[in-house]
Amino acid sequence: EVQLVESGGGLVQPGGSLRLSCAASGFTFSIYAMSWVRQAPGRGLEWVSAISGSGSRTYYADSVKGRFTISRDNSKNPLSLQMNSLRAEDTAIYYCARVFITGTTLSFDYWGQGTLVTVSS
Amino acid sequence: QSVLTQPPSVSAAPGQKVTISCSGSSSNIGNNYVSWYQQLPGTAPKLLIYDNNKRPSGIPDRFSGSKSGTSATLGITGLRTGDEADYYCGTWDSSLSAVVFGGGTRLTVL
Repeated sequence: EVQLVESGGGLVQPGGSLRLSCAASGFTFSIYAMSWVRQAPGRGLEWVSAISGSGSRTYYADSVKGRFTISRDNSKNPLSLQMNSLRAEDTAIYYCARVFITGTTLSFDYWGQGTLVTVSS
Repeated sequence: QSVLTQPPSVSAAPGQKVTISCSGSSSNIGNNYVSWYQQLPGTAPKLLIYDNNKRPSGIPDRFSGSKSGTSATLGITGLRTGDEADYYCGTWDSSLSAVVFGGGTRLTVL
């Protein structure tokens, strides 16, 4: 059974940093691209970042480019998201999701339960 | 303002059929496959449809997807109260080099 479990969320002041982790199990982690998707309170889904299976390619939404860094350790299988220079508008539930690539696009076939990040003074 | 446009809400009676639209452009829906996600209250999203019209294992055939030009549609037949949820469309946007989602549609089963 595929399982994704996020951790690392919490309350942080504006300008601060936080590191999220996602522990994956039930599948061969290294062959799948992974992604982070967030959802602000009462709002819709917003894609944040993605990383290839090998970790050699990374992608970011413009809203987080230069502030967030996605990474992975295929030997220990955690997926991470280092978040720096946090802003109030980064407040959201952050979901880890497995990427399912077909043809010219991708979808997210498994999701974790999410971890809440609150940016406030 | 989401790149993909969905109606904020739809409603229908139990047993009836409902459709949810998702409108985009040539840089996203027009040239890429569309996925649909269901988010039940207080839970994580779940993949319902991928590649415009394919269902993952375990998704009943009451759920269907279609695409025409720069628009996509999710159809749900035989509505149940358990289908009450937020539904999101998503795809890749080749101009933005990013995944884009619709703003979500809340389904109410009256």
